[in-house]
Amino acid sequence: NAGVTQTPKFQVLKTGQSMTLQCAQDMNHEYMSWYRQDPGMGLRLIHYSVGAGITDQGEVPNGYNVSRSTTEDFPLRLLSAAPSQTSVYFCASSKEGLADNEQFFGPGTRLTVL
Amino acid sequence: SQKIEQNSEALNIQEGKTATLTCNYTNYSPAYLQWYRQDPGRGPVFLLLIRENEKEKRKERLKVTFDTTLKQSLFHITASQPADSATYPCALDVNTGFQKLVFGTGTRLLVSP
Repeated sequence: NAGVTQTPKFQVLKTGQSMTLQCAQDMNHEYMSWYRQDPGMGLRLIHYSVGAGITDQGEVPNGYNVSRSTTEDFPLRLLSAAPSQTSVYFCASSKEGLADNEQFFGPGTRLTVL
Repeated sequence: SQKIEQNSEALNIQEGKTATLTCNYTNYSPAYLQWYRQDPGRGPVFLLLIRENEKEKRKERLKVTFDTTLKQSLFHITASQPADSATYPCALDVNTGFQKLVFGTGTRLLVSP
């Protein structure tokens, strides 16, 4: 199993550009989520999904869109990038999204918005 | 306000000693608390989960305690090794339904030979 994969590893955008961060998992996990990590702060939840076709907002959802058309994939879309979205983004998955499930994290995407 | 506090200063210890990391929280009532390990440039890796009705959990050289009265969890690594050097964030589940984790900033551990 590859686990959780993310692409790209690095990305530089100009303000106002759009892009999609890709996330895929091959563990047949129902629950997937996106976090951002900024210096001096803990991981913050952006959006999560409890299964195909079901998504919900986390702590910091503004400026980001998600959809979940398959169990395997959970892309994160930035519609109009802003410098405040410069961060490292991590995708994670867990088996059922229950509170006692461990989360498996991807390697991250480092995004810089100029 | 709700807060999770972990020591922002790095913890430096010598190889073979026990490292103890602290996770304090306020205005949360988590049913579960998790500990992760994160190496530079990589995603967090799950280590241990402890439930609110468990006082202690062990896994090999790792031990976690959970005191819901003090609102504190302690994470211990016994017989520490240089390979244990990493950042260790704790995470609380703050949702009564599906999982919604809130992470601390993590404490950086440096184990010197």
